Amino acid sequence: AQSVTQLGSHVSVSEGALVLLRCNYSSSVPPYLFWYVQYPNQGLQLLLKYTTGATLVKGINGFEAEFKKSETSFHLTKPSAHMSDAAEYFCAVSDLRYSSASKIIFGSGTRLSIRP
Amino acid sequence: GAVVSQHPSWVICKSGTSVKIECRSLDFQATTMFWYRQFPKQSLMLMATSNEGSKATYEQGVEKDKFLINHASLTLSTLTVTSAHPEDSSFYICSATPGHTGELFFGEGSRLTVL
Repeated sequence: AQSVTQLGSHVSVSEGALVLLRCNYSSSVPPYLFWYVQYPNQGLQLLLKYTTGATLVKGINGFEAEFKKSETSFHLTKPSAHMSDAAEYFCAVSDLRYSSASKIIFGSGTRLSIRP
Repeated sequence: GAVVSQHPSWVICKSGTSVKIECRSLDFQATTMFWYRQFPKQSLMLMATSNEGSKATYEQGVEKDKFLINHASLTLSTLTVTSAHPEDSSFYICSATPGHTGELFFGEGSRLTVL
């Protein structure tokens, strides 16, 4: 079974400050890990994903995440927040490498607010 | 990247009527599509896995007769909310995967309001 825990339902940072959104996962098989962003009344957009290889993954809009197996974590960071980063962020885990019919399990989401 | 399109984006209907939402993969074939429901300020809840040419697999607690899913082709899955009631009002999102790419592509979502 797989699960995802996002710590903090709401994170608020100042514009230009570091963004850190926390995600811990549980998986009985090597996982695929994802971060998605959702703007109001829209679907989800993939920010980045970890499948295999390099544990530091760079995504769109300046975001990156590091897969730490020992800590079962996949935290999302961005060095300098921009007002346009305000959105809902979802961490997700799957075992898609084993079956295209596998489910993606989403965390509860973290709402990121940016203060001017 | 691959594109998944949902239609309609917004729909308002009267209680007791049925509503159909379409999910199309525009530039790839999807043997598997997923349907999610999202309540305000909450995460996505997987409703069912839609498999082309076979019956959908529903998650526990999801009424099969309420939420009819048809995956008639490799590029189209439909979700029909039958005899809709106000409690069915929600944001419905579909996703699809081209296969073993390790990535799901999401539709824009469909907001259903039942009066």
